[in-house]
Order: sequence, then C-alpha cells, then structure tokens
Amino acid sequence: EAGVAQSPRYKIIEKRQSVAFWCNPISGHATLYWYQQILGQGPKLLIQFQNNGVVDDSQLPKDRFSAERLKGVDSTLKIQPAKLEDSAVYLCASSLGVWGGTPTNEKLFFGSGTQLSVL
Amino acid sequence: AQTVTQSQPEMSVQEAETVTLSCTYDTSESNYYLFWYKQPPSRQMILVIRQEAYKQQNATENRFSVNFQKAAKSFSLKISDSQLGDTAMYFCAFMKHGGPNYGGATNKLIFGTGTLLAVQP
Repeated sequence: EAGVAQSPRYKIIEKRQSVAFWCNPISGHATLYWYQQILGQGPKLLIQFQNNGVVDDSQLPKDRFSAERLKGVDSTLKIQPAKLEDSAVYLCASSLGVWGGTPTNEKLFFGSGTQLSVL
Repeated sequence: AQTVTQSQPEMSVQEAETVTLSCTYDTSESNYYLFWYKQPPSRQMILVIRQEAYKQQNATENRFSVNFQKAAKSFSLKISDSQLGDTAMYFCAFMKHGGPNYGGATNKLIFGTGTLLAVQP
C-alpha cells in the first residue's frame, strides 16, 4: 500500500516570499490533515479536510496560510507571505475518516513532511 | 481544552534494557484515545501503540506496552528489550472520542512536546 506522499522534502525561501506544499493521501482516505511542527515542539493541527470540505481550521493563520483539497484527493498548503516564525516541518496525514455507528477508530498515516526554512 | 505534557525532554537506555517514557494529560472528557507515536530522523510519524480510555486493560504491542492510569491522567510507555532502531523522538498524543452518530467533527490529535530516546549500544 502506498503511503502519504509529500513534496518537496525541503524548501528554503526568504521572508515575504510565497511557498506551496503538496500532499497526496492514501487512496480511499477521506480525511486529510496538515500539521505544523516547529523545532522542539509536537505537531499542531493547522487544517483538517473531510473529502473536500474543511472540518477544522481554527489554528490556521488565515491572513497568510491557505489550503485546498480539490476533488477530495490531493491537497496544497500555501503560505503567502512567509515569516521567519513559519520555519517548521509541515506534515500531511490522512485517515479513512469513517464516523457514526461503532466508535471511531481513527488511525492517522503520516507523510515524511516538508522542512521549510525561512531566512 | 486538552493538554498533553511530556516532562522528559531526553532519555537514554542501553541496548536490551527497559525504559519508560512518561506522559500526563488534562481533559474533562470521559471518552478518548491516547497514542504514542515514534518519529525517527526520516520525520515520518509512526503509530506505536493506542489505548482507548474506556478499556481498563493496558494496551501492548510486542515490546511496547503502556501503563494507563485514568484517574491520575497518566499514560506511560514501556519499551522492553530496547533496540538501536528504537532511537527516535516519541510523542504522546490525545484524541477526543467521537462516539456513535458523531458525524463530520474533528478527530484532532493533540501532541505533547516529545521525548528524545537514544538507545546506546
């Protein structure tokens, strides 16, 4: 089974530039997550999609971050303009996303992330 | 709001020995999941073990086991017969349980700050 694919693996930009990350989840997974992991911290959820709809974007800095999941499959996360504090690893994850009936049994599968350095 | 605390930034253990990583959490929820994830240098988060709060029996997965103390809100990970490949960051995480007929809502994972485990040869 193919895992969660992310690209690029590394990105270096200067502050105020824009950058985009791409994620292709596991086939058939309805739920897709973007996490931000700053050095020395645990990952923090930025946005969660269920198919192509947003479930939770409460911690997404919407003045500079945007994300979309067209057709409910792959997703892009964009930062425009970037700030120094955006330097982090951006992890994408996916899960089957089945709810209702029996208790949820969510297992998240993570990609290897994109390491962003903003200079 | 839920919080997860890992008070050990770094741990070291000799190969073949046993080590325990600590985690405490705070929540007002009665039904939830707790997880331990491993993050090697490749950066990919790998699920090590999962515990459902309504189950009293501690979860085990081969060399990995947990000590779940619901009243104390404690969830420690024990690694037996440590191997060099166990060297990684370990994150404790919390997920609110959706429950029956819980549709369209978040299953957000809340992570602790991690413990860097080094297995020494």
